[in-house]
Amino acid sequence: AQTVTQSQPEMSVQEAETVTLSCTYDTSESDYYLFWYKQPPSRQMILVIRQEAYKQQNATENRFSVNFQKAAKSFSLKISDSQLGDAAMYFCAYRSRYNNNDMRFGAGTRLTVKP
Amino acid sequence: GAVVSQHPSRVICKSGTSVKIECRSLDFQATTMFWYRQFPKQSLMLMATSNEGSKATYEQGVEKDKFLINHASLTLSTLTVTSAHPEDSSFYICSAPSPSGSSDEQYFGPGTRLTVT
Repeated sequence: AQTVTQSQPEMSVQEAETVTLSCTYDTSESDYYLFWYKQPPSRQMILVIRQEAYKQQNATENRFSVNFQKAAKSFSLKISDSQLGDAAMYFCAYRSRYNNNDMRFGAGTRLTVKP
Repeated sequence: GAVVSQHPSRVICKSGTSVKIECRSLDFQATTMFWYRQFPKQSLMLMATSNEGSKATYEQGVEKDKFLINHASLTLSTLTVTSAHPEDSSFYICSAPSPSGSSDEQYFGPGTRLTVT
């Protein structure tokens, strides 16, 4: 079974600085999707960025970018120019391309942004 | 993007009673919806997959008779917690797959906080 590991329960960053959140996963599949979701205090899950495993190019969405290392099964999220509104729980997630039902979440990383 | 709503956002019920949570896709049809449970400061755990027109698929360890799921229409799935107990207190989140052809994303509802006293 696929597993997703986030080894950083908490991270802190100064406003306007850059922070990287780590995520590793384990799978025997060759094609899949990876996601980073943000869960602010409202508890609404918000998609931050997605990566398709067959694409070598790292996904980028404005201040958010990923470092996808398929061989190492690593999928880190970099937040540049951190803003106070970025403070939230961040979940890394894996979804099989072959099974729409199989979405696995990591334990989450709580990000604090200091003014 | 697509919107998923949940009702109620918060509910308090007494031990032994049942409570129903609704999940609606507001601007798209969803033949499949997912129900997650999230304990405080923990991750989302998939409980079951709701299928329109057929029985739900439950994850291992989830009691089917306790967590009744009904996918009544292409826009509505309900989760009924029967004979609720304090240990059922949790945050319940539903989601639906993207209506686009790629189907690689899930849209999440805002969640329902259940407190059983």
